[in-house]
Amino acid sequence: SQKIEQNSEALNIQEGKTATLTCNYTNYSPAYLQWYRQDPGRGPVFLLLIRENEKEKRKERLKVTFDTTLKQSLFHITASQPADSATYLCALGSRGFKTIFGAGTRLFVKA
Amino acid sequence: GAVVSQHPSRVICKSGTSVKIECRSLDFQATTMFWYRQFPKQSLMLMATSNEGSKATYEQGVEKDKFLINHASLTLSTLTVTSAHPEDSSFYICSAGVWDQPQHFGDGTRLSIL
Repeated sequence: SQKIEQNSEALNIQEGKTATLTCNYTNYSPAYLQWYRQDPGRGPVFLLLIRENEKEKRKERLKVTFDTTLKQSLFHITASQPADSATYLCALGSRGFKTIFGAGTRLFVKA
Repeated sequence: GAVVSQHPSRVICKSGTSVKIECRSLDFQATTMFWYRQFPKQSLMLMATSNEGSKATYEQGVEKDKFLINHASLTLSTLTVTSAHPEDSSFYICSAGVWDQPQHFGDGTRLSIL
């Protein structure tokens, strides 16, 4: 069955460093991959979308890579700030199939 | 950007009560909305796809008579948890969006059944 794996362990980093989160998937050929931010008790907020024919996408301090051979996406936050502390979800989608979400990785940025 | 409003944000009620949750798209028309359930530290689990003017499509294992969905207009979908029991306690979230575009989520409803 389709499966998305994100690090279940929380990621703790120091302010100013680059945070790198991983999303691996199996038994799926997604047309696109998305990253969302979710704060406690809130709904997810869209951050970036990258399509299967794209290798990298950037938005301000955020960068996403997508390797369809490795079946992996990396999500980077450069110059991280305490306000970046949240849970980050990856999601996969393809035409005709429902979007599936990973369980998320909790990020803590210490001042 | 697109905004989805979900109400109420929190419900606490007795076992056997039916609870209605509303999901509204405030600045766009949503022919399709999605209802998810989320347990602590777990992923969003799609419960059903709500289609304006037609019956909802439920995921395997989701009781359609238990979770009634109505999508009567292009801006409103409702989820009614009928005869709720403690095991129905969860975080319910709605979203709107098309297949290859970002999903716009509501802020969720924390349902607690005593």
